[in-house]
Amino acid sequence: ILNVEQSPQSLHVQEGDSTNFTCSFPSSNFYALHWYRWETAKSPEALFVMTLNGDEKKKGRISATLNTKEGYSYLYIKGSQPEDSATYLCAFPVTGTASKLTFGTGTRLQVTL
Amino acid sequence: DGGITQSPKYLFRKEGQNVTLSCEQNLNHDAMYWYRQDPGQGLRLIYYSQIVNDFQKGDIAEGYSVSREKKESFPLTVTSAQKNPTAFYLCASSTLWDRDNYGYTFGSGTRLTVV
Repeated sequence: ILNVEQSPQSLHVQEGDSTNFTCSFPSSNFYALHWYRWETAKSPEALFVMTLNGDEKKKGRISATLNTKEGYSYLYIKGSQPEDSATYLCAFPVTGTASKLTFGTGTRLQVTL
Repeated sequence: DGGITQSPKYLFRKEGQNVTLSCEQNLNHDAMYWYRQDPGQGLRLIYYSQIVNDFQKGDIAEGYSVSREKKESFPLTVTSAQKNPTAFYLCASSTLWDRDNYGYTFGSGTRLTVV
């Protein structure tokens, strides 16, 4: 089993703060790196699938970067809002099976007014 | 609208019983997956299927069984051999052939409790 690690485990910020968290993954045989957002009582939702070293993707106030050589990805949220409160998961395909993902334990973000 | 439907949302099982969790998708996705979530742990893969009539064990397949008779459906049976079945179960699907767009679509989950 490949190890995907996320930090911090949880984060508490105030509305308007910008924040970021990290996903670390094995850098050998890289194929893709996924980010998901999981709000309480909802289904996890795909945010980004990142495939190229140096890639940067953006969706509204959320963006992600990828460094495949050193094995990490950052997720940034600019001007956090209460609706950004969720658990953010990253996932990495198991070697040899591109679609079969190993998930990290997530970063739980709480945004308060 | 296309999506994944899991049922039931809550399920209670008596010791020694088998129960089946339903997962249906209308996204025309080739691949389907079952994950389990326990408190403080990441999602763990139980079984996955990339094509009809074929499926593979994931990391924690013991005590579970699946079938994939139709592309749209991937039911999971939790058997009496599963020693600790109380958990939250998530079904997902994805396309296989587009590396930039094969993010998973998830169902809303089934919470199984042994009583």
